[in-house]
Amino acid sequence: AQTVTQSQPEMSVQEAETVTLSCTYDTSESDYYLFWYKQPPSRQMILVIRQEAYKQQNATENRFSVNFQKAAKSFSLKISDSQLGDAAMYFCAYRRRYDMRFGAGTRLTVKP
Amino acid sequence: SQTIHQWPATLVQPVGSPLSLECTVEGTSNPNLYWYRQAAGRGLQLLFYSVGIGQISSEVPQNLSASRPQDRQFILSSKKLLLSDSGFYLCASEQNSGGASNEQFFGPGTRLTVL
Repeated sequence: AQTVTQSQPEMSVQEAETVTLSCTYDTSESDYYLFWYKQPPSRQMILVIRQEAYKQQNATENRFSVNFQKAAKSFSLKISDSQLGDAAMYFCAYRRRYDMRFGAGTRLTVKP
Repeated sequence: SQTIHQWPATLVQPVGSPLSLECTVEGTSNPNLYWYRQAAGRGLQLLFYSVGIGQISSEVPQNLSASRPQDRQFILSSKKLLLSDSGFYLCASEQNSGGASNEQFFGPGTRLTVL
């Protein structure tokens, strides 16, 4: 079974600094997708970034970028120029077909 | 983009009582629909998904069931609630084309407490 592990329950970053959230996953498949979702205190899940496993190029969305290491089954999220509004729970997710598996999440605190 | 509505927002129910949570979607037609449960301090667990009216797939055996009576309506039910059914329930929708790369849009969720 596919599992997703986020080894950092909590992380903290100073405003304007950079932080990296870790994620590893376990799969025997070669075709899948990876996502980072953000859940602010409102509990609304919001897509941050997605990566297709067959693409070697790392995805980037403005201040958010990923480091995708397929052989190592690692998918970390880098947030640059952190803002107060980035404070939230961040979930890494693995998806194949209709089945999306989420990690337990990392709570990010942004200090002013 | 899609808008997902869920109600009720919060619910407190006694053990053994029935349950009905509703999800409706605006802004798309024939979406794929999903029910997730989020336990306290945990990630989301996929419970059910539906690719069309009357088509329901279950990911985990449990005390819950789902139905899709209309294209943009998805209902989560139980005949008798258990304490372990407590949690935060999220409905999600996505376009039915594009496969597994699709962005899922989530509703605001229902917090269920079973006492």
